[in-house]
Amino acid sequence: DAKTTQPPSMDCAEGRAANLPCNHSTISGNEYVYWYRQIHSQGPQYIIHGLKNNETNEMASLIITEDRKSSTLILPHATLRDTAVYYCIVRVYGSSNTGKLIFGQGTTLQVKP
Amino acid sequence: NAGVTQTPKFRILKIGQSMTLQCAQDMNHNYMYWYRQDPGMGLKLIYYSVGAGITDKGEVPNGYNVSRSTTEDFPLRLELAAPSQTSVYFCASSTKGLAGKFTSTDTQYFGPGTRLTVL
Repeated sequence: DAKTTQPPSMDCAEGRAANLPCNHSTISGNEYVYWYRQIHSQGPQYIIHGLKNNETNEMASLIITEDRKSSTLILPHATLRDTAVYYCIVRVYGSSNTGKLIFGQGTTLQVKP
Repeated sequence: NAGVTQTPKFRILKIGQSMTLQCAQDMNHNYMYWYRQDPGMGLKLIYYSVGAGITDKGEVPNGYNVSRSTTEDFPLRLELAAPSQTSVYFCASSTKGLAGKFTSTDTQYFGPGTRLTVL
């Protein structure tokens, strides 16, 4: 699975959009980009995933560059409850492997009032 | 559905003691996983299981054992606790797609964690 690079920390004002970047320059054609987050002391929570098209769900939007070497998770209106560590993970699609997730150190997002 | 449940929430062990961390899921998921998370770090995979009776090692299996006698339960055993095993332990489960291959919609559901301290 491709390695990802994320900034260690970011701040965001409450009510503003939070844009979390992720580099995955060695991503291959059959690897999806997944985002999970971990609110303090809780188990990680799935947010969104995508292959090459931009994706949106009730939690967030995912923008993937055309060359797929980087992506951005967007929380459109960040709230204090969005303060968490955000993990960007790439994962092979359609593989008969274990489906295990490889977690890096993630980005700690601090939403401030 | 309760999702993924873990017991206990907290535990303190002395060096050399043994214990079992319990994990159960009620979503009929084939795949189950044990991760550990050290302070300030991401999660690391200890063991995983692709179905009842089948288990395999992850990145950091030393000092741990697992079993999977039912689809619902996946206990993690520490035989001789060491201070290096002080960590937060998370259990997770996920589905398996058609023909045994993961689809893009597979996500892992995590339990609330067990905080273990070995003194």
